[in-house]
Amino acid sequence: AQTVTQSQPEMSVQEAETVTLSCTYDTSESDYYLFWYKQPPSRQMILVIRQEAYKQQNATENRFSVNFQKAAKSFSLKISDSQLGDAAMYFCAYRGGLNTGTASKLTFGTGTRLQVTL
Amino acid sequence: DGGITQSPKYLFRKEGQNVTLSCEQNLNHDAMYWYRQDPGQGLRLIYYSQIVNDFQKGDIAEGYSVSREKKESFPLTVTSAQKNPTAFYLCASRKGGQNTEAFFGQGTRLTVV
Repeated sequence: AQTVTQSQPEMSVQEAETVTLSCTYDTSESDYYLFWYKQPPSRQMILVIRQEAYKQQNATENRFSVNFQKAAKSFSLKISDSQLGDAAMYFCAYRGGLNTGTASKLTFGTGTRLQVTL
Repeated sequence: DGGITQSPKYLFRKEGQNVTLSCEQNLNHDAMYWYRQDPGQGLRLIYYSQIVNDFQKGDIAEGYSVSREKKESFPLTVTSAQKNPTAFYLCASRKGGQNTEAFFGQGTRLTVV
Protein backbone atom coordinates (compact mmCIF):
# COMPACT_ATOMS: atom_id res chain seq x y z
CA ALA A 1 0.00 0.00 0.00
CA GLN A 2 1.11 3.53 -0.71
CA THR A 3 2.01 5.69 2.26
CA VAL A 4 2.84 9.37 2.58
CA THR A 5 4.87 10.65 5.52
CA GLN A 6 5.25 14.21 6.70
CA SER A 7 7.65 14.19 9.62
CA GLN A 8 7.31 17.86 10.59
CA PRO A 9 4.05 18.48 12.49
CA GLU A 10 4.83 22.20 12.78
CA MET A 11 7.18 24.65 11.13
CA SER A 12 7.76 28.36 11.54
CA VAL A 13 9.20 30.93 9.16
CA GLN A 14 9.70 34.65 9.27
CA GLU A 15 8.01 36.80 6.71
CA ALA A 16 10.06 37.13 3.50
CA GLU A 17 12.22 34.12 4.39
CA THR A 18 12.29 30.69 2.77
CA VAL A 19 11.01 27.48 4.30
CA THR A 20 11.07 23.86 3.14
CA LEU A 21 8.43 21.32 4.10
CA SER A 22 9.38 17.65 3.87
CA CYS A 23 7.45 14.73 2.44
CA THR A 24 8.45 11.16 1.74
CA TYR A 25 6.35 8.44 0.19
CA ASP A 26 6.48 4.74 -0.34
CA THR A 27 5.25 3.05 -3.49
CA SER A 28 6.11 0.22 -5.83
CA GLU A 29 4.44 1.97 -8.76
CA SER A 30 6.50 3.78 -11.38
CA ASP A 31 3.72 5.99 -12.70
CA TYR A 32 2.22 8.41 -10.20
CA TYR A 33 1.48 12.01 -9.30
CA LEU A 34 2.41 14.00 -6.23
CA PHE A 35 0.62 17.04 -4.87
CA TRP A 36 0.91 19.68 -2.20
CA TYR A 37 -2.37 21.04 -0.85
CA LYS A 38 -2.81 24.03 1.43
CA GLN A 39 -5.56 24.20 4.06
CA PRO A 40 -5.92 27.70 5.58
CA PRO A 41 -8.03 28.36 8.69
CA SER A 42 -11.15 28.39 6.49
CA ARG A 43 -10.41 24.66 5.98
CA GLN A 44 -10.85 24.94 2.21
CA MET A 45 -8.30 22.65 0.53
CA ILE A 46 -6.38 24.42 -2.21
CA LEU A 47 -3.96 22.80 -4.65
CA VAL A 48 -0.55 24.45 -4.43
CA ILE A 49 1.53 22.45 -6.85
CA ARG A 50 1.74 19.05 -8.52
CA GLN A 51 4.48 16.88 -9.96
CA GLU A 52 4.26 14.08 -12.49
CA ALA A 53 6.67 11.27 -11.63
CA TYR A 54 7.79 10.86 -15.24
CA LYS A 55 9.00 14.45 -15.39
CA GLN A 56 12.53 15.02 -14.19
CA GLN A 57 12.12 18.78 -13.98
CA ASN A 58 10.90 20.08 -10.64
CA ALA A 59 7.55 21.86 -10.74
CA THR A 60 7.32 25.54 -9.84
CA GLU A 61 4.37 27.85 -9.27
CA ASN A 62 5.44 31.42 -8.52
CA ARG A 63 6.92 31.36 -4.98
CA PHE A 64 6.31 27.63 -4.59
CA SER A 65 8.65 24.97 -5.92
CA VAL A 66 9.34 21.34 -5.22
CA ASN A 67 12.43 19.21 -4.90
CA PHE A 68 11.41 15.87 -6.36
CA GLN A 69 13.90 13.08 -5.72
CA LYS A 70 12.36 10.00 -7.31
CA ALA A 71 15.00 7.51 -6.24
CA ALA A 72 14.83 8.70 -2.65
CA LYS A 73 11.01 8.97 -2.82
CA SER A 74 11.17 12.47 -1.50
CA PHE A 75 8.96 15.42 -2.46
CA SER A 76 9.67 18.58 -0.49
CA LEU A 77 7.94 21.95 -0.91
CA LYS A 78 9.92 25.18 -0.84
CA ILE A 79 8.13 28.44 -0.16
CA SER A 80 10.16 31.51 -1.02
CA ASP A 81 9.52 35.05 0.20
CA SER A 82 7.01 33.76 2.77
CA GLN A 83 3.90 35.84 3.34
CA LEU A 84 1.45 35.99 6.22
CA GLY A 85 -1.16 34.44 3.94
CA ASP A 86 0.98 31.33 3.60
CA ALA A 87 0.15 30.34 7.16
CA ALA A 88 -1.84 27.12 6.88
CA MET A 89 -1.74 23.34 7.10
CA TYR A 90 0.12 21.83 4.17
CA PHE A 91 -0.61 18.31 3.02
CA CYS A 92 1.44 16.17 0.71
CA ALA A 93 -0.57 13.69 -1.37
CA TYR A 94 0.01 10.77 -3.75
CA ARG A 95 -2.05 9.33 -6.58
CA GLY A 96 -1.17 6.46 -8.89
CA GLY A 97 -1.09 6.79 -12.66
CA LEU A 98 -3.87 5.71 -14.99
CA ASN A 99 -2.85 2.07 -15.30
CA THR A 100 -2.12 1.50 -11.64
CA GLY A 101 -4.34 0.17 -8.89
CA THR A 102 -4.34 3.55 -7.17
CA ALA A 103 -5.30 5.79 -10.08
CA SER A 104 -8.44 6.94 -8.34
CA LYS A 105 -7.17 7.13 -4.78
CA LEU A 106 -5.54 10.24 -3.37
CA THR A 107 -3.51 9.36 -0.27
CA PHE A 108 -2.55 12.15 2.12
CA GLY A 109 0.15 12.67 4.70
CA THR A 110 -0.66 13.91 8.20
CA GLY A 111 0.16 17.51 7.39
CA THR A 112 2.55 20.25 8.51
CA ARG A 113 1.25 23.36 10.20
CA LEU A 114 3.18 26.40 8.96
CA GLN A 115 3.33 29.55 11.03
CA VAL A 116 4.54 32.79 9.49
CA THR A 117 5.89 35.39 11.89
CA LEU A 118 6.67 39.07 11.43
CA ASP B 1 -20.15 29.42 -10.66
CA GLY B 2 -18.86 25.86 -10.85
CA GLY B 3 -17.81 24.14 -7.70
CA ILE B 4 -18.49 21.62 -4.99
CA THR B 5 -21.10 22.33 -2.35
CA GLN B 6 -21.24 20.57 0.97
CA SER B 7 -24.11 21.15 3.29
CA PRO B 8 -24.60 21.89 6.03
CA LYS B 9 -21.39 23.46 7.31
CA TYR B 10 -22.12 22.38 10.89
CA LEU B 11 -24.23 19.39 11.90
CA PHE B 12 -25.21 18.11 15.30
CA ARG B 13 -26.75 14.73 15.95
CA LYS B 14 -27.58 12.58 18.92
CA GLU B 15 -25.67 9.38 19.44
CA GLY B 16 -27.35 6.40 17.76
CA GLN B 17 -28.90 8.40 14.93
CA ASN B 18 -27.95 8.07 11.30
CA VAL B 19 -27.06 11.30 9.54
CA THR B 20 -26.52 12.11 5.86
CA LEU B 21 -24.00 14.65 4.61
CA SER B 22 -24.66 16.24 1.26
CA CYS B 23 -22.13 16.77 -1.54
CA GLU B 24 -23.09 18.25 -4.91
CA GLN B 25 -20.82 19.27 -7.78
CA ASN B 26 -21.56 21.04 -11.05
CA LEU B 27 -18.11 20.60 -12.54
CA ASN B 28 -19.15 17.56 -14.62
CA HIS B 29 -16.51 15.55 -12.80
CA ASP B 30 -16.56 11.79 -13.04
CA ALA B 31 -14.98 10.83 -9.72
CA MET B 32 -16.09 11.86 -6.26
CA TYR B 33 -14.58 11.20 -2.86
CA TRP B 34 -15.31 11.43 0.85
CA TYR B 35 -12.55 12.07 3.35
CA ARG B 36 -12.53 12.32 7.10
CA GLN B 37 -10.14 14.71 8.83
CA ASP B 38 -9.11 14.33 12.47
CA PRO B 39 -6.42 16.33 14.26
CA GLY B 40 -2.97 14.86 13.66
CA GLN B 41 -4.21 12.24 11.20
CA GLY B 42 -4.49 14.10 7.95
CA LEU B 43 -7.22 13.10 5.53
CA ARG B 44 -8.39 9.52 5.42
CA LEU B 45 -10.41 8.13 2.52
CA ILE B 46 -13.86 6.79 3.39
CA TYR B 47 -15.44 6.00 0.01
CA TYR B 48 -14.93 6.98 -3.60
CA SER B 49 -16.86 6.67 -6.82
CA GLN B 50 -15.51 6.76 -10.35
CA ILE B 51 -18.82 6.54 -12.22
CA VAL B 52 -22.54 6.66 -11.50
CA ASN B 53 -23.96 3.64 -9.68
CA ASP B 54 -20.51 2.42 -8.69
CA PHE B 55 -18.38 3.11 -5.63
CA GLN B 56 -15.53 1.56 -3.69
CA LYS B 57 -14.55 1.43 -0.05
CA GLY B 58 -11.63 3.52 1.05
CA ASP B 59 -9.42 2.95 4.04
CA ILE B 60 -11.99 3.61 6.78
CA ALA B 61 -15.38 2.66 5.31
CA GLU B 62 -16.77 0.86 8.37
CA GLY B 63 -19.83 2.63 9.76
CA TYR B 64 -20.40 4.67 6.60
CA SER B 65 -22.48 4.23 3.46
CA VAL B 66 -22.75 6.13 0.18
CA SER B 67 -24.76 6.22 -3.01
CA ARG B 68 -24.05 7.61 -6.48
CA GLU B 69 -27.38 7.75 -8.30
CA LYS B 70 -26.50 10.95 -10.15
CA LYS B 71 -23.18 12.19 -11.48
CA GLU B 72 -23.57 15.43 -9.56
CA SER B 73 -24.32 13.97 -6.15
CA PHE B 74 -22.47 11.72 -3.71
CA PRO B 75 -24.15 11.74 -0.27
CA LEU B 76 -22.46 10.15 2.73
CA THR B 77 -24.46 8.52 5.52
CA VAL B 78 -22.80 8.20 8.90
CA THR B 79 -24.55 5.31 10.58
CA SER B 80 -24.95 4.47 14.23
CA ALA B 81 -22.34 1.75 13.70
CA GLN B 82 -19.60 4.37 13.34
CA LYS B 83 -18.01 4.37 16.79
CA ASN B 84 -16.43 7.82 16.68
CA PRO B 85 -18.32 9.92 14.14
CA THR B 86 -17.42 13.38 15.40
CA ALA B 87 -15.03 14.78 12.78
CA PHE B 88 -14.60 17.13 9.86
CA TYR B 89 -15.76 15.61 6.57
CA LEU B 90 -14.49 16.73 3.19
CA CYS B 91 -15.95 15.89 -0.21
CA ALA B 92 -13.88 16.12 -3.38
CA SER B 93 -14.33 15.55 -7.09
CA ARG B 94 -12.01 15.01 -10.03
CA LYS B 95 -12.42 14.90 -13.75
CA GLY B 96 -11.46 11.57 -15.27
CA GLY B 97 -8.12 11.36 -16.97
CA GLN B 98 -4.47 11.14 -16.26
CA ASN B 99 -3.36 14.52 -15.12
CA THR B 100 -6.27 15.99 -13.24
CA GLU B 101 -6.45 17.45 -9.77
CA ALA B 102 -9.06 16.97 -7.08
CA PHE B 103 -11.24 19.90 -6.05
CA PHE B 104 -12.64 20.05 -2.54
CA GLY B 105 -15.77 21.33 -0.93
CA GLN B 106 -15.69 23.49 2.19
CA GLY B 107 -16.40 20.60 4.52
CA THR B 108 -18.98 19.64 7.12
CA ARG B 109 -18.20 19.56 10.80
CA LEU B 110 -20.23 16.76 12.38
CA THR B 111 -20.64 16.65 16.13
CA VAL B 112 -22.38 13.73 17.76
CA VAL B 113 -23.51 14.28 21.32
